Amino acid sequence: EVQLVESGGVSVQPGGSLRLSCAATGYMFSTYWMHWVRQAPGKGLVWVSRINEHGTITDYADSVKGRFTISRDNAKNTLYLQMNSLRAEDTAVYYCGRDVAGANDYWGQGTLVTVSS
Amino acid sequence: DIVMTQSPLSLPVTPGEPASISCRSSQSLLHSNGNHFFSWYLQKPGQSPQVLIYWGSNRASGVPDRFSGSGAGTDFTLKISRVQAEDVGVYYCMQGLQTPYTFGQGTKLEIK
Repeated sequence: EVQLVESGGVSVQPGGSLRLSCAATGYMFSTYWMHWVRQAPGKGLVWVSRINEHGTITDYADSVKGRFTISRDNAKNTLYLQMNSLRAEDTAVYYCGRDVAGANDYWGQGTLVTVSS
Repeated sequence: DIVMTQSPLSLPVTPGEPASISCRSSQSLLHSNGNHFFSWYLQKPGQSPQVLIYWGSNRASGVPDRFSGSGAGTDFTLKISRVQAEDVGVYYCMQGLQTPYTFGQGTKLEIK
C-alpha cells in the first residue's frame, strides 16, 4: 500500500526556517516525480514545487522561489522541503504528492505550518 | 501561467440526482503524448485531496463508476451520475501540463 507521511510542521516566527519531510512507503520511491502542494486555512490548493526522480530537476512557484528548496533522499525514501525566510502568507497545510504523468495519484495527510509572531 | 476556471463554485444536489462541474483552462492541456494533462480531485471534509480522474477521462483506481470525466483542449467536465451522501466535499480541477501546476478555485458540493 502506498503511503506518504509528512512531518515537521510547527509554529515559527516570521523570518524563520523549517524543514518538512515526507516519508514514502509501499512503492519504488526513486522512480517517481514528487510534489509539494499547500492549502492556507479555508482556502484552495496551491502547487508549491516538484522534483524529478533523481533530484536533478526542480521547479518552484514564484511565491516561494529563492526561499524554499525541494530535495529528496532516495536511499531513505524521503522527500524534503526546506523553507527559509518564512512569511505569514506561508501559513498552510503542506501536502506531499506522487506525480504520475501530470496528476497527483497519492497524497499525504498534510502537516501544518504556522508563521506568526 | 495557465489559469483554471471552475463552475459552479457551489453545487447543492439532492441525493440520487446527477451533478456536473465544468473546468476551463486558459490554454490547451493536450500533451505531445496525446493525453490531456488534466485531473479532478475531491477533498472531503477534514481529509487530504484524492484523485478521481486523470488524463481528462481516466477514472483512478478505486473510484466509483458514477464518476466520469470528459472533455478536450481547454474544456473539461466531471459528472456524477447519482450523487451520494459520501460525495460531499470540494472538487478541484488541476492542470499538470506545465509548471506552475494550477488548480481551479474549487466547487463545494453539498447535499440538499
